[in-house]
Amino acid sequence: NAGVTQTPKFQVLKTGQSMTLQCAQDMNHNSMYWYRQDPGMGLRLIYYSASEGTTDKGEVPNGYNVSRLNKREFSLRLESAAPSQTSVYFCASSEVGGLAKNIQYFGAGTRLSVL
Amino acid sequence: DAKTTQPPSMDCAEGRAANLPCNHSTISGNEYVYWYRQIHSQGPQYIIHGLKNNETNEMASLIITEDRKSSTLILPHATLRDTAVYYCIVRGTGANNLFFGTGTRLTVIP
Repeated sequence: NAGVTQTPKFQVLKTGQSMTLQCAQDMNHNSMYWYRQDPGMGLRLIYYSASEGTTDKGEVPNGYNVSRLNKREFSLRLESAAPSQTSVYFCASSEVGGLAKNIQYFGAGTRLSVL
Repeated sequence: DAKTTQPPSMDCAEGRAANLPCNHSTISGNEYVYWYRQIHSQGPQYIIHGLKNNETNEMASLIITEDRKSSTLILPHATLRDTAVYYCIVRGTGANNLFFGTGTRLTVIP
């Protein structure tokens, strides 16, 4: 039982390049999330998917797109990477969003540098 | 969601209890208090949550004051592996995300 798996673990991009961060969970959770964490700061929500087929913007969505491919997978795409997107990206999942016991389980993160 | 205030850092001797405080004076009636921790840039890990009663699980205890304006996370016997950043989060039902502040960096000293 792997939990939440993110790929890749590390990535270096040049400004303007595109890439997709992959996330998969094997806990049959309905809700999935993408956060970013900048040095010395807490996590900030980029996008979330409350259930399969739905996605919504979080606190910092600009420059990103997401796809909820199926119940297991939620990808984050950078269409034209910028140095300001250098960060650590975390994917998380929870059984059902919006409930009291909305415990989120996190992946190990993707460390992205944009030069 | 209500904002929280935590001390930026704390030290604790190995084997002693670690008491991490959190102020959430603007908490509303339907908002829960959650605690997560993040060990050395790994993904955050859920610890415990509660509404108004004290809670205990295998990892920690959560003490919430009667007026719910503050809470304390207690790690009863801190080990070196408990060195981490601890986040206190207040969240209501219907909210989908967790608002992470900067947390408390707990260092367990041998």
